[in-house]
Amino acid sequence: EDKVVQSPLSLVVHEGDTVTLNCSYEVTNFRSLLWYKQEKKAPTFLFMLTSSGIEKKSGRLSSILDKKELSSILNITATQTGDSAIYLCAVLNYGGSQGNLIFGKGTKLSVKP
Amino acid sequence: EPEVTQTPSHQVTQMGQEVILRCVPISNHLYFYWYRQILGQKVEFLVSFYNNEISEKSEIFDDQFSVERPDGSNFTLKIRSTKLEDSAMYFCASSWPGLAPDEQYFGPGTRLTVT
Repeated sequence: EDKVVQSPLSLVVHEGDTVTLNCSYEVTNFRSLLWYKQEKKAPTFLFMLTSSGIEKKSGRLSSILDKKELSSILNITATQTGDSAIYLCAVLNYGGSQGNLIFGKGTKLSVKP
Repeated sequence: EPEVTQTPSHQVTQMGQEVILRCVPISNHLYFYWYRQILGQKVEFLVSFYNNEISEKSEIFDDQFSVERPDGSNFTLKIRSTKLEDSAMYFCASSWPGLAPDEQYFGPGTRLTVT
């Protein structure tokens, strides 16, 4: 069965800390891995990773994929209270047409002032 | 910035009733999706749609569900006879079959409550 596992499930840090969120996957037809931030409702797109070892960066957030280890990490440096959210990892399972996203349970990040 | 919109934001219905959830995908996107998230659980894929046809569907998407693109802008999910277990947040997503077809952008969701 295809699955995406995220760890930790929840994390409490203080402003200024650096955090690393983990995602591992077992998906038959892997095509890409995506990270989303879910605050109140809609998952908001952060990154899409397809190639191993190439870091993607956006401000204080960065992510990298390791296809050998079937995993990815999302780093957030100098965390702020506005980073508090659930971070979702999803893998695009490509069966030959559009593909569909298989999501992990998410990591709930709480950043305390 | 273009975004996916969904209406209504919250729908309450009685068991056995039909509901239609509406989505307006990003205007130049051609791939459309529905996902759902039962409270406290993972986001789950329901169906993908392209060129007026279902591309893929999950086991959840049984005969009670249908999707339609009735015009050039709307994309709808119909549940024919709702069950208590259909209560969930339903997300519409869209993507563009260009340079980054895998980047799916999500709408704010419709919270469906079946009583």
